[in-house]
Amino acid sequence: QSALAQPPSASGSPGQSVAISCTGTSSDVGVYNYVSWYQQHPGKAPKLMIYEVTKRPSGVPDRFSGSKSGNTASLTVSGLQAEDEADYYCSSYAGGNNPNWVFGGGTKLTVL
Amino acid sequence: EVQLLESGGGLVQPGGSLRLSCAASGFTFSRYAMSWVRQAPGKGLEWVSGISGSGGNTFYADSVKGRFTVSRDNSKNTLYLQVNSLRVEDTAIYYCAKDITAGSQLATQVDHWGPGTLVTVSP
Repeated sequence: QSALAQPPSASGSPGQSVAISCTGTSSDVGVYNYVSWYQQHPGKAPKLMIYEVTKRPSGVPDRFSGSKSGNTASLTVSGLQAEDEADYYCSSYAGGNNPNWVFGGGTKLTVL
Repeated sequence: EVQLLESGGGLVQPGGSLRLSCAASGFTFSRYAMSWVRQAPGKGLEWVSGISGSGGNTFYADSVKGRFTVSRDNSKNTLYLQVNSLRVEDTAIYYCAKDITAGSQLATQVDHWGPGTLVTVSP
């Protein structure tokens, strides 16, 4: 049950785009399309932003998009806004003999 | 409106036990798998345990296997996590979360979270 790899930090100016990567293995991200992304502001519970790699729940702005290539998933935030400054966590279903759910270590997104 | 509310956290000594609860409302509870996720102070998210909608399938992270037990009472719309043999490193906010899709066995894409309950393990 190894964690997914995310960069600890990312940043961009208002209006710019930023991409956050999430690298897993052929046991999780690489083989399942159950990759999701969560936004967490300080002191708050996480919020689902992307699920099944590319889908957005209702209410999430279309500035947020997801993708996957091989063992690496990505979250792209376009048209950065001040309120996007938060921690972002990727996660993936990991199957096999012991199904489980693995998270990335989190990326602190700073809007400059 | 979907609502999840955890309770049962507190301060406990190493080796102690607690029973965490998560009261659910606003959806057909028995149709959805649920998970517990924890977050140590200043750290990232860590999945702890999950349970299918019927309660027939349970799943655990290696770090808690044998010490924690997940269960649910669908007649009371309540999820539980019995935490035993607590260690200092179990100190965290414990969140319950609901899967986005009805019928899944393990909730790994969750669209609603509770506010969390804090468990502090300290001598």
